[in-house]
Amino acid sequence: DIQMTQSPASLSASLGETVTIECRASEDIYSNLAWYQQKPGNSPQLLIYDANSLADGVPSRFSGSGSGTQYSLKINSLQSEDVASYFCQQYNNYLMYTFGAGTKLELK
Amino acid sequence: QVTLKESGPGILQPSQTLSLTCSFSGFSLSTSGICVSWIRQPSGKGLEWLATICWEDSKGYNPSLKNRLTISKDTSNNQAFLKITSVDTADTAIYYCARREVYGTPEVMDAWGQGASVTVSS
Repeated sequence: DIQMTQSPASLSASLGETVTIECRASEDIYSNLAWYQQKPGNSPQLLIYDANSLADGVPSRFSGSGSGTQYSLKINSLQSEDVASYFCQQYNNYLMYTFGAGTKLELK
Repeated sequence: QVTLKESGPGILQPSQTLSLTCSFSGFSLSTSGICVSWIRQPSGKGLEWLATICWEDSKGYNPSLKNRLTISKDTSNNQAFLKITSVDTADTAIYYCARREVYGTPEVMDAWGQGASVTVSS
């Protein structure tokens, strides 16, 4: 099984700040990595796929990068509506998936 | 428009079998490349992938739960199902179904249902 280690578990940042969340896979996942945003009471929403492709309708302040086993999500110029939990997910095999443990982003 | 909606018993007792239904529209599970997955989330915790079924009837299960899970589909009625046997309080969670289009763009779980709350309690 592929394990996903996501950090940090929680993050406090100010409006306008840049934040970075990281995910490390236990083996090469060939950029088959997605990032989801989840607000309380809602389903996860796709932000990034293929490690660095922005999903439709997602603001350009969100970006993804990485390859091999190391990936990151960056949010530029943090907005109040970005307060949420963020999860990475590997999908290297279409019959086997793993999520990171999540990062809870709050405003300082 | 792609939509998915989960339904389940709401509450059940320990040792019972949990049966969940995912009813969807806007796509077909008989179309090449389409898969539907089940994911759960205990209150205040992270997402856990449970199982996936695809157009050609291939199936994948979370190894830590494999012995308790059965996923199936009814392509004629646009539904996917998940059964979890011998539930206990640790199975209390919101259960989501999600679609993945393996040959599409994006080829990830891009559509999710609203979730069904399941509580296991005696």
